Amino acid sequence: KAGVTQTPRYLIKTRGQQVTLSCSPISGHRSVSWYQQTPGQGLQFLFEYFSETQRNKGNFPGRFSGRQFSNSRSEMNVSTLELGDSALYLCASSLGTATDEQYFGPGTRLTVT
Amino acid sequence: AQSVTQLDSQVPVFEEAPVELRCNYSSSVSVYLFWYVQYPNQGLQLLLKYLSGSTLVKGINGFEAEFNKSQTSFHLRKPSVHISDTAEYFCAVSDPDTGRRALTFGSGTRLQVQP
Repeated sequence: KAGVTQTPRYLIKTRGQQVTLSCSPISGHRSVSWYQQTPGQGLQFLFEYFSETQRNKGNFPGRFSGRQFSNSRSEMNVSTLELGDSALYLCASSLGTATDEQYFGPGTRLTVT
Repeated sequence: AQSVTQLDSQVPVFEEAPVELRCNYSSSVSVYLFWYVQYPNQGLQLLLKYLSGSTLVKGINGFEAEFNKSQTSFHLRKPSVHISDTAEYFCAVSDPDTGRRALTFGSGTRLQVQP
């Protein structure tokens, strides 16, 4: 069974630009969650999508948004990039219940210059 | 809101020695608890989880953890570590009462196994 895939793996952007990251969940998984990992703030929850609907949202500004498609693939978008957005962005997929395991992808390393 | 404290940012240990990585969480009526491992340049892998039932939870790679409700702790242990256990370990909680799947993570503990 293929794992969670994230593209691209590495990305360099300039301040003020926008970026879109993609996540393909494990086949059959309907929930996709996004996390940001930085040395200073650690791992923080961004949002979760389930069946194309945002089900939970973390405490991030509106510049961070996401969506989920009918095939459960998800994208997250960051507009007007800031230096502090440099981070590893991790995507996790699961069946969607509160008790099942979340499987993490390898992440997308975003560097904002 | 939930919070998780991992008291040790780094834990050096010799190969074949036992290790304990500490985790405390803010109290709540009920919680789900998790330990994840992250190897360099990789995502997170679940080691074990506590949902309910027995307070001693066994996970992969010989790890185990004990849920202590009175001390709001969920410490991770391994009786004998290997070089390959060198990685960063994260404790996490979620709130079953709200049905949120959002995980709140601790700041991580870097386990350094030395020969």
